[in-house]
Amino acid sequence: GENVEQHPSTLSVQEGDSAVIKCTYSDSASNYFPWYKQELGKRPQLIIDIRSNVGEKKDQRIAVTLNKTAKHFSLHITETQPEDSAVYFCAASAAGGTSYGKLTFGQGTILTVHP
Amino acid sequence: NAGVTQTPKFQVLKTGQSMTLQCAQDMNHNSMYWYRQDPGMGLRLIYYSASEGTTDKGEVPNGYNVSRLNKREFSLRLESAAPSQTSVYFCASSEYWGSYEQYFGPGTRLTVT
Repeated sequence: GENVEQHPSTLSVQEGDSAVIKCTYSDSASNYFPWYKQELGKRPQLIIDIRSNVGEKKDQRIAVTLNKTAKHFSLHITETQPEDSAVYFCAASAAGGTSYGKLTFGQGTILTVHP
Repeated sequence: NAGVTQTPKFQVLKTGQSMTLQCAQDMNHNSMYWYRQDPGMGLRLIYYSASEGTTDKGEVPNGYNVSRLNKREFSLRLESAAPSQTSVYFCASSEYWGSYEQYFGPGTRLTVT
């Protein structure tokens, strides 16, 4: 089945700096890569996703890049703000095989943005 | 729309006790999922229901059972709780099997002593 590794496990930045979180996946059939944000005590919420026919997707201050050859994808947050502090999870899902229809999550990154 | 709802929000059990976690969605979604979240391990799939009338095991099904009661409701049962089942449990739903985007409930924090 799919295996997703996420790094770093913790990330501390100053307000206004950029933050980058990276994930690698193992199943070459994976074609959907979402990112979820989870604030303390809250539910995970989808913030951006990318499909394998796209190399990069941007939504205001957040962007995701995908390198299918290397099997890795990254979340980029620019001009970070204290409200960006949360746990971020990457995930992967495949169009077929044993991973079809399921999300396999990375271990999570605790992002702290210091004012 | 309430989206995905879960009850209870918190629960403390003694080892060996049983309980059922309830989940309901009002988005007319076909697929539903149960995850557990443990520190440093992300979310791991326990069981899923691709459509009403079907259920299947995920990554960590041991010690759990599920029931897809109808299209709206998907319950998770712990028959004999163990301390290793102390976790936060999330229910999620998606429009159909393979539709990718999943919507999560607020979670149930379970402690087994």
